[in-house]
Amino acid sequence: DVKVTQSSRYLVKRTGEKVFLECVQDMDHENMFWYRQDPGLGLRLIYFSYDVKMKEKGDIPEGYSVSREKKERFSLILESASTNQTSMYLCASSRERGAGETQYFGPGTRLLVL
Amino acid sequence: GESVGLHLPTLSVQEGDNSIINCAYSNSASDYFIWYKQESGKGPQFIIDIRSNMDKRQGQRVTVLLNKTVKHLSLQIAATQPGDSAVYFCAESDSWGKLQFGAGTQVVVTP
Repeated sequence: DVKVTQSSRYLVKRTGEKVFLECVQDMDHENMFWYRQDPGLGLRLIYFSYDVKMKEKGDIPEGYSVSREKKERFSLILESASTNQTSMYLCASSRERGAGETQYFGPGTRLLVL
Repeated sequence: GESVGLHLPTLSVQEGDNSIINCAYSNSASDYFIWYKQESGKGPQFIIDIRSNMDKRQGQRVTVLLNKTVKHLSLQIAATQPGDSAVYFCAESDSWGKLQFGAGTQVVVTP
């Protein structure tokens, strides 16, 4: 089974702090994704990566950056956390590009910015 | 812009009955449509998908129907069980594999 793990289940940070969210997948997948999930809005794509050191903006990249130094690890960075970034963050991976490739999700990190 | 939307935010169904969750989409160019299930405290889990050139696909206790004429997608769950209580998301995939999610439907199974 594909396993996607996220470094923290719950995180509390203060406004202005730099926040790192880590994601690791163990299936040698090419693609990795970061979403945020808010009630009534579903999942919205922040950034994705289709290869090591490659990244692409999703629908809501403002205020975020990402890093993919190794194939199995994809980090989401909040350079200066703000209260409107309080949300559930979900990481996903898929084997390769293509419409039929299933995305596998981690358990999520619930971030509270005070 | 293009969007995926759900008709009902909450669906209450009695144990043993069949559930039908509906979804409207607007991007006629989408290649795949996918249903995910998210249980409390967990990430979304793939249930079933359907290619845009198909009308129906069946899995174990689940059936997905695609009506391209009216841009409508539905998920049918047969003999709903307590373990089916969750939020269900429909999503559409472009040719690359990027997903656009709907807002989700909360399914509550009552005894």
